[in-house]
Amino acid sequence: DAGVTQSPTHLIKTRGQQVTLRCSPISGHKSVSWYQQVLGQGPQFIFQYYEKEERGRGNFPDRFSARQFPNYSSELNVNALLLGDSALYLCASSLAAGYWGSPLHFGNGTRLTVT
Amino acid sequence: AQKITQTQPGMFVQEKEAVTLDCTYDTSDQSYGLFWYKQPSSGEMIFLIYQGSYDEQNATEGRYSLNFQKARKSANLVISASQLGDSAMYFCAMGSNYKLTFGKGTLLTVNP
Repeated sequence: DAGVTQSPTHLIKTRGQQVTLRCSPISGHKSVSWYQQVLGQGPQFIFQYYEKEERGRGNFPDRFSARQFPNYSSELNVNALLLGDSALYLCASSLAAGYWGSPLHFGNGTRLTVT
Repeated sequence: AQKITQTQPGMFVQEKEAVTLDCTYDTSDQSYGLFWYKQPSSGEMIFLIYQGSYDEQNATEGRYSLNFQKARKSANLVISASQLGDSAMYFCAMGSNYKLTFGKGTLLTVNP
């Protein structure tokens, strides 16, 4: 079975632009989460969606938004890009909304560079 | 608020030896999960092992075991018989409700 797939793998944008990142979960997984990983740090939670509804949101500005589609794939949108948005953006899927015994399976990430 | 602390920025181990990576956590939740992930230089996060807060036995997955001491709020990862391919960043994380909270990671280097 295919794992979590993310596209694109790399992206270069300039300040002020908007970006859309895409994620397809593992088949059968209904939960998709997004994490931001700045160089040298652990991933930081941005959003979780389960059954197309937002279940949780991390401490990120409103410039960050996401949605989940009927086929459970997801998009993360970031508006008005700042230099500090440069990071590896990780998508993860899981069977359930909670994390007890249902580990997150991560994709390879999208490396976003803002210049 | 939940917090994960990994106090070892880097660790070195000889091939075939065992190594322990430290992790302490802080939470007021009664139900939570503890996870370890491996991140090679290529960037993907690989799930290694899980321990539930109510599990009485320490989790094991092949060469990985999780030394769970609830009273001390620690969840150390033990890797037995280290291999060169184990060289990577290792992240401890706590899961509760809808998110994982990660530590800053430990860079493990396995020497031949």
